[in-house]
Parts: sequence; structure tokens; C-alpha cells
Amino acid sequence: AQSVTQPDIHITVSEGASLELRCNYSYGATPYLFWYVQSPGQGLQLLLKYFSGDTLVQGIKGFEAEFKRSQSSFNLRKPSVHWSDAAEYFCAVAGSNDYKLSFGAGTTVTVRA
Amino acid sequence: DTAVSQTPKYLVTQMGNDKSIKCEQNLGHDTMYWYKQDSKKFLKIMFSYNNKELIINETVPNRFSPKSPDKAHLNLHINSLELGDSAVYFCASSHGDTQYFGPGTRLTVL
Repeated sequence: AQSVTQPDIHITVSEGASLELRCNYSYGATPYLFWYVQSPGQGLQLLLKYFSGDTLVQGIKGFEAEFKRSQSSFNLRKPSVHWSDAAEYFCAVAGSNDYKLSFGAGTTVTVRA
Repeated sequence: DTAVSQTPKYLVTQMGNDKSIKCEQNLGHDTMYWYKQDSKKFLKIMFSYNNKELIINETVPNRFSPKSPDKAHLNLHINSLELGDSAVYFCASSHGDTQYFGPGTRLTVL
């Protein structure tokens, strides 16, 4: 069965500083990997996804993520955070046959001025 | 021009009542989903329909019954509501590999 672990429950970062959110997955075959963001009181918005090819993927809002098969990881990064990046971030994995998403527990990002 | 919409946004009801949440997508997608987000923000899939056929049915009490009248709609009916049903319910749709989520319905059972 597929699963996702997000080791960091809560991260606080200063505005303008860099951000990295960790994600480790478990899946028997080549996974489909996603990062979603949920702003307070809102639905989930897709930031980026990885299926195959270049292991460094670019997303919206200046985010990028790197797939490392050897480490079963798909970490999300942003070079310089903005106050509007304060939100809940979810990593998810899906299989190529049914696209059923399994989510991690999420990481809450707080941005301080 | 909302892609995936849900109604209502908030739903407050008493234990034992029956309620429905509606979901509509105007993206032309074939597949729709229902997810439950609990108080700890953990998201778990409940159901998935493809072209009006049930394809994913996770371990969910049979008090929950999804209904898909057409490809663009997937409604969730809940019978005999319990306190533990309080959560945010998200609808999503996809055509292939990427799911697009609605804004969520916050259900509170008193």
C-alpha cells in the first residue's frame, strides 16, 4: 500500500528566508507525486506534480520540488518565502493505475515578519 | 466560472439527522472523488466515481452513500449523523492523473 510521511508538523520561517518541506513516500512502483497547499479556510490548490522525466519540477508561486528515488523523497522548496505562503502543505502519492491519492499529515508553515 | 463547487459551504446539524452535500464540476472530467479531512487536518479518500460508476470505496460506514446523477455531479448523502462525522468534506475531480479540489464543506454535528 502507498503512504506518505511528512516529518515536520510545523515550520516557522522568516519572510524572505528559504523554505524546505520534507516528504517521504512508500510505493512499490514508480509513484505519481504531488504537493498541494491549503490556505486557511480554503480548498486544496495544486502546487506541482511529478510523474517522470526531469527530477526537478517547477510549480506555481515560485515553488519547486526534487524527486529522489534513492531516498524515496519529494521535498518542496522555495528560495524566498512571502507572508502569503503561510498555509498547510500536503504531499501526496498516487499509483499509475487508479490515481487514488494518499496524503501525508501535512506541514503547517508560519511566516514571521 | 468555478471549476469544482460544493454546497453548502457550512452545515450545522443535530445527531441523527440525514444530510446531503452537493458537488459539481464544469471541467468535463470523467472522475470525481469525496475526501474527508478530520480535525487534525488528515485527508482520506472516501469514494471515487468514473463516468457515474463507483470505482473506489474505502472503509466508510454505509451511512455514507454517494450518488452520481451524471458525470458532472457527485453528491454525498449521510444518514443518521454522528458526532464523529464532523469534518471538512472535499470533492475533487480529475481527467487522468491530477485532481482538482473544491472549496470544502465544513460539517458540524451537535
